[in-house]
Amino acid sequence: KAGVTQTPRYLIKTRGQQVTLSCSPISGHRSVSWYQQTPGQGLQFLFEYFSETQRNKGNFPGRFSGRQFSNSRSEMNVSTLELGDSALYLCASSLYLAGGDTQYFGPGTRLTVL
Amino acid sequence: AQRVTQPEKLLSVFKGAPVELKCNYSYSGSPELFWYVQYSRQRLQLLLRHISRESIKGFTADLNKGETSFHLKKPFAQEEDSAMYYCALSGRGTGNQFYFGTGTSLTVIP
Repeated sequence: KAGVTQTPRYLIKTRGQQVTLSCSPISGHRSVSWYQQTPGQGLQFLFEYFSETQRNKGNFPGRFSGRQFSNSRSEMNVSTLELGDSALYLCASSLYLAGGDTQYFGPGTRLTVL
Repeated sequence: AQRVTQPEKLLSVFKGAPVELKCNYSYSGSPELFWYVQYSRQRLQLLLRHISRESIKGFTADLNKGETSFHLKKPFAQEEDSAMYYCALSGRGTGNQFYFGTGTSLTVIP
């Protein structure tokens, strides 16, 4: 099976702009989670979608939003970008995100905010 | 509050020496514990999980509920073990989010 894919791989934006990142899960996986990875904070959970519904949400401001489509593909959007949003954004998919389910990670999108 | 703590940001050991990466957690319930690894220029991937009780690449991890720890161990470190290691937990049942530690960067010195 093809792995989790994320597009674009790199993005450079300026403060105040908005950005949309895309994630295609492994075929058959219905749960998609998003994480922000930074050197100091590690992986911080943003949100998780299952069957087009947000099931879990991390402690991020409302500028961070997401959605999931009927084919399980997911997008996340960050509006009014700030310098601190520069990070690697990871997407992970799993079958159901049941206890013990493995999460499969994509390569990430490297966002740089200038 | 749910939390995963990896007290060591950096860890260096010599090749052939034993290695232990520490992980402590707090969780109100019965968690599932995992170790994920990220090798240089590769994506984050599962190393092992508590429920399968398996040994991957010589690594093992024992869940100690009394000490709320899930330390990762390997008796003889190899150079190819150099990577970033993340401890993670999730709740049992469906729809439980994952909580990750801040990671430990392991360097195995030849």
